[in-house]
Amino acid sequence: QSALTQPASVSGSPGQSITISCTGTNTNVGSYNLVSWYQQHPGKAPKLMIYEGSKRPSGVSNRFSASKSGNTASLTISGLQAEDEADYYCCSYAGGSTLVVFGGGTKLTVL
Amino acid sequence: QVQLQESGPGLVKPSETLSLTCAVSGYSISSGSYWGCIRQPPGKGLEWIGSMYHSGSTYYNPSLKSRVAISVDTSKNQFSLKLSSVTAADTAVYYCARLIHSSGYYYYFDYWGQGTLVTVSS
Repeated sequence: QSALTQPASVSGSPGQSITISCTGTNTNVGSYNLVSWYQQHPGKAPKLMIYEGSKRPSGVSNRFSASKSGNTASLTISGLQAEDEADYYCCSYAGGSTLVVFGGGTKLTVL
Repeated sequence: QVQLQESGPGLVKPSETLSLTCAVSGYSISSGSYWGCIRQPPGKGLEWIGSMYHSGSTYYNPSLKSRVAISVDTSKNQFSLKLSSVTAADTAVYYCARLIHSSGYYYYFDYWGQGTLVTVSS
């Protein structure tokens, strides 16, 4: 089962850009970027922000973008806003019959 | 609009079986797609428990596989999770979600239920 590694926390000031990394393997990130990203506010269900590596669902702000470099996927939030303060999780296919695995999550603090 | 609603006991005693039902509206389970259960212990991250294809095929997290069963009831348009021999470590918010398999190995959860807290305690 592949693990996805995220930093525990990141922070930024309003208007700035921040990037959250998600390090996986050649299989789930490096070759195909199978990563999806979720935003979770306290006490709420996770919300899909990015799928198939870099695609945004309808209704998600274009301030959210995603990319990859080597075995690391990244979520970038530009023009940081107070409402972006939340936990962010990456998720990917894990291999075999283990359909998905989540990263440990990153807490974003807007200063 | 696809909606999922979890229902569960709230409190389960240690060593007993946790049962959770996920009712789906706005989409027929028998039409296709995968469905999944995810949990989140208080203050911790998300953990995939398992998923089920509409036909009944199941896929489980290896760390929970010996204790988990997910089944579907297409007549009620719902699916169910059973987790046996629970301990305090199984205390968590349990979510149901639709898992999209778009192509190849692309999987992602697009619709989620609100979640339900299940506490394991005597």
